[in-house]
Amino acid sequence: EVQLLESGGDFVQPGGSLRLSCVVSGFSFSSYVMSWVRQAPGKGLEWVSGILGNGVTTYYADSVKGRFTISRDNSKNILYLQMNNLRAEDTAIYYCAKTTGIPDSWGQGTLVTVSS
Amino acid sequence: DIVMTQSPDSLAVSLGARATINCKSSQSIFYSSNNKTYLAWFQQKPGQPPKLLIYWASTRKSGVPDRFSGSGSETDFTLTISSLQAEDVAIYYCHQYYTTPLWTFGQGTKVEI
Repeated sequence: EVQLLESGGDFVQPGGSLRLSCVVSGFSFSSYVMSWVRQAPGKGLEWVSGILGNGVTTYYADSVKGRFTISRDNSKNILYLQMNNLRAEDTAIYYCAKTTGIPDSWGQGTLVTVSS
Repeated sequence: DIVMTQSPDSLAVSLGARATINCKSSQSIFYSSNNKTYLAWFQQKPGQPPKLLIYWASTRKSGVPDRFSGSGSETDFTLTISSLQAEDVAIYYCHQYYTTPLWTFGQGTKVEI
């Protein structure tokens, strides 16, 4: 069974940093593109970042480029999202998703709150 | 970026009635080399992550009830719930993966009874 479990969400002040993790199981992690998608309170879905299976090629939404870094540890089956210089508008539930072109499996999400 | 626009933003449907949600992409998401349309539909219930219902515009994911169907091509798409059940109350999102992994989603349509 495919499982994705996010962690690392917290309350942080503007300008602060957080690192999110997504531990996966039930599939060959290194074979899949992985992504982060976020959802602000009461709002829709926003793709944030993606990373190819090799861990080398990464993609970012313009809204987070230069502030967020996606990475993965294929030996540990963990996806990461390092978030720096956080802003109030980054407040959201962050989901990791396994990708077969389509985000076909999602974690339950972890909440990031950025506020002073 | 490909912009996905859904209509309506919300709709109220009686139990057993048909619900129709529309989605328009700002450019074609049909790839002629493989004859596939890169459009998916998700259902999201409160406190839950999105759940994939339909992909390739009209292919129902295994286990999804057949009252859910998708149609459309190029830039105009429709999700139809043929006979609304109480458990279908949710927000529905269209999603283009033509530019995967740079995805975009529609703004969502809230379906109520």
